[in-house]
Amino acid sequence: SQQGEEDPQALSIQEGENATMNCSYKTSINNLQWYRQNSGRGLVHLILIRSNEREKHSGRLRVTLDTSKKSSSLLITASRAADTASYFCATDAGTALIFGKGTTLSVSS
Amino acid sequence: DTAVSQTPKYLVTQMGNDKSIKCEQNLGHDTMYWYKQDSKKFLKIMFSYNNKELIINETVPNRFSPKSPDKAHLNLHINSLELGDSAVYFCASSHGGTPNTEAFFGQGTRLTVV
Repeated sequence: SQQGEEDPQALSIQEGENATMNCSYKTSINNLQWYRQNSGRGLVHLILIRSNEREKHSGRLRVTLDTSKKSSSLLITASRAADTASYFCATDAGTALIFGKGTTLSVSS
Repeated sequence: DTAVSQTPKYLVTQMGNDKSIKCEQNLGHDTMYWYKQDSKKFLKIMFSYNNKELIINETVPNRFSPKSPDKAHLNLHINSLELGDSAVYFCASSHGGTPNTEAFFGQGTRLTVV
């Protein structure tokens, strides 16, 4: 069963702008992860945030987690054309990661 | 060095055939997974193996069977292929029986059943 749900499904921005993607999930979690998938490629791990953390940074990425609302957000600052990809949130289901449907981000130069 | 490698990258076959997709990881991980990504990019967990034991098996048809000869390999066998099996299949691995760390994915195998 699907656990995460990303919003929006698609996002188009200009280079230099910030991109925000949201993820909602249904059940309690131990951690939440974000992955990126470039067209025709496998998924690449971006960041992991644990249930007792509220915010985490990695380079131009900022992830927040609100366990009371069962939601997370991924902010990409100063976007680049190379950030064009699909972004997925994933939650642990005890034995495997369950992925949402993803947000497709297009960054135009 | 490729951390998680899958072969073949592309696979085109006729309905009713039996095929296999191979997966190898050189990360020393003890847990490996197979995911199916459909045309809408939805990723569905199919199997998870930890120390050669099947941990989960979602509502996947019996025509799909994972086989792990050792900790570094998890192959996917598919019997009597159907049109609906067309998708991209991803192998992944992680350390530990529960996904508390990042998973590493292969490049995917695009299966087309005609």
